[in-house]
Amino acid sequence: AQTVTQSQPEMSVQEAETVTLSCTYDTSESNYYLFWYKQPPSRQMILVIRQEAYKQQNATENRFSVNFQKAAKSFSLKISDSQLGDTAMYFCAFMKHWVNAGNMLTFGGGTRLMVKP
Amino acid sequence: ETGVTQSPTHLIKTRGQQVTLRCSSQSGHNTVSWYQQALGQGPQFIFQYYREEENGRGNFPPRFSGLQFPNYSSELNVNALELDDSALYLCASSPGLAGGTGELFFGEGSRLTVL
Repeated sequence: AQTVTQSQPEMSVQEAETVTLSCTYDTSESNYYLFWYKQPPSRQMILVIRQEAYKQQNATENRFSVNFQKAAKSFSLKISDSQLGDTAMYFCAFMKHWVNAGNMLTFGGGTRLMVKP
Repeated sequence: ETGVTQSPTHLIKTRGQQVTLRCSSQSGHNTVSWYQQALGQGPQFIFQYYREEENGRGNFPPRFSGLQFPNYSSELNVNALELDDSALYLCASSPGLAGGTGELFFGEGSRLTVL
């Protein structure tokens, strides 16, 4: 079974600054996806960024980037130039990646991020 | 393109009752999964449906059951409600199993309160 751990229940950052959210996971799988999802007060989960485990290059998506350390089973999210709209719960999630695995996500407990003006 | 829609958005039930939650998947998506998110926690996988068949189940008792219809919409049924069933229930759809990007598209959820 997979586990995902987010050790920071809450974080805050000043607008325009940079913040890093931590995530570690445990799995015996070699091929998998990792995701960061954002859940604003509207409740809808929105994909922020994804990483395929076989790719060594860290994923980037505009102001969002990850530091993927496969051997250490670490997957942190860096948000640059933080904006007020980034205020939300952030969830790290794991998905196996093989045929017929289905699309089951294992989520961490979340980090509540507050961006202050 | 219509996204994932869920109904109802909020509902209140009493212990022992039964509830049905509904989900319409995003256009072109044939896979629907359901998650339970207790307050202040991450979502937990309940089960998934692919082409009207259950395809994977999490650690939830049999009183949690579901259906998927030919148009790929889905229902989550919970019998004999317990206080701990109070949660946000999220539906997510995707275009097939383990295909493409692996991304799931979520609805806004149904908030269930059991008194």
